[in-house]
Amino acid sequence: NAGVTQTPKFQVLKTGQSMTLQCAQDMNHNSMYWYRQDPGMGLRLIYYSASEGTTDKGEVPNGYNVSRLNKREFSLRLESAAPSQTSVYFCASSERGWGYTFGSGTRLTVV
Amino acid sequence: AQSVTQPDIHITVSEGASLELRCNYSYGATPYLFWYVQSPGQGLQLLLKYFSGDTLVQGIKGFEAEFKRSQSSFNLRKPSVHWSDAAEYFCAVGSNNAGNNRKLIWGLGTSLAVNP
Repeated sequence: NAGVTQTPKFQVLKTGQSMTLQCAQDMNHNSMYWYRQDPGMGLRLIYYSASEGTTDKGEVPNGYNVSRLNKREFSLRLESAAPSQTSVYFCASSERGWGYTFGSGTRLTVV
Repeated sequence: AQSVTQPDIHITVSEGASLELRCNYSYGATPYLFWYVQSPGQGLQLLLKYFSGDTLVQGIKGFEAEFKRSQSSFNLRKPSVHWSDAAEYFCAVGSNNAGNNRKLIWGLGTSLAVNP
């Protein structure tokens, strides 16, 4: 089925470790986004890519980096994980119709 | 400042009862308005959206929402709730002047529980 695929679904990291969250969409959407979701704080935008070759910071970019590898793929990297980065991470994509399509999320725990 | 407020953090209704979830926004430009639903352990799914025209919009799963510009509201309704509607509901707003920048502003969500 067409959609947004995120990997991995679950991850436990030790403080200071690094990892990359992968996201790929097969809908030929131009825009892609990374959000984190924390209890009582809703969805917060980390980074977004309005189109291939561009990336911009969102509300909470500190501690993260992104790469828009091509039109399909948008990865999120944690260089040195901290307990404050324990969260559920969602990737999404959108096109002119504004309907975001979300992945199923990555549940990250940093210990 | 641009913002979206969902006044009810948690709502409980009985199965078969009607439902209204509130959403108020503060936005300088003409807004595009959205409702999303998140089932436990899942990503968000678009229920419906409003861009222009008829202020009453129909969505999936029997939901509808009404845009009231004078009240800056976009409330979600369903005439008869089913147990499977138990989920988190998010209201969001975007700009029709965004160009390629389709960032949304999100409410904090309303958690819906359904009693049998």
